[in-house]
Amino acid sequence: GEDVEQSLFLSVREGDSSVINCTYTDSSSTYLYWYKQEPGAGLQLLTYIFSNMDMKQDQRLTVLLNKKDKHLSLRIADTQTGDSAIYFCAEKNNFNKFYFGSGTKLNVKP
Amino acid sequence: DVKVTQSSRYLVKRTGEKVFLECVQDMDHENMFWYRQDPGLGLRLIYFSYDVKMKEKGDIPEGYSVSREKKERFSLILESASTNQTSMYLCASNSRGYEQYFGPGTRLTVT
Repeated sequence: GEDVEQSLFLSVREGDSSVINCTYTDSSSTYLYWYKQEPGAGLQLLTYIFSNMDMKQDQRLTVLLNKKDKHLSLRIADTQTGDSAIYFCAEKNNFNKFYFGSGTKLNVKP
Repeated sequence: DVKVTQSSRYLVKRTGEKVFLECVQDMDHENMFWYRQDPGLGLRLIYFSYDVKMKEKGDIPEGYSVSREKKERFSLILESASTNQTSMYLCASNSRGYEQYFGPGTRLTVT
């Protein structure tokens, strides 16, 4: 399958901004996603971006897409302890197949 | 509110047992998926189905089979469970839309 890579851990202080990065290899990606997984739960869609966009903002969340470098990032402004979770980057190709990264565990220190 | 449910949150089985994991969605979605989630490996696709009685292998189908007799239900079957199948299993569904909806997961331990 296609490769989607993320770093495994990120630790920030409450109130700071968090930036989670992701790289992918599939040039036929149609949509790219960020999912959040809280302990003991399934994945919940946070936000998504269509592959012909380069930025999307939704309240505290900003998604940046650099299609040339196949790089996606998620910025969380004013990070709160409730944002502590695992964040998955994912891409969907033209065949409705989804590829997920390994997940980045975000730890927010009070 | 959209809903994907999985039959068990936690399951403990013995090596060699036949295991059934059930997933039901109430959104009339055509597509359903089974993933396993392991630390550091993210989600890996086992099987998916794009219609009743249709199935496609994902990236790691070995040791698994699936059944989709009704549109709302997608079952994952471990014919003879092994310890390396201890994992979190996640079911998801979607339509032609952009998003997959996930169930809460089943944590399976094989001893």
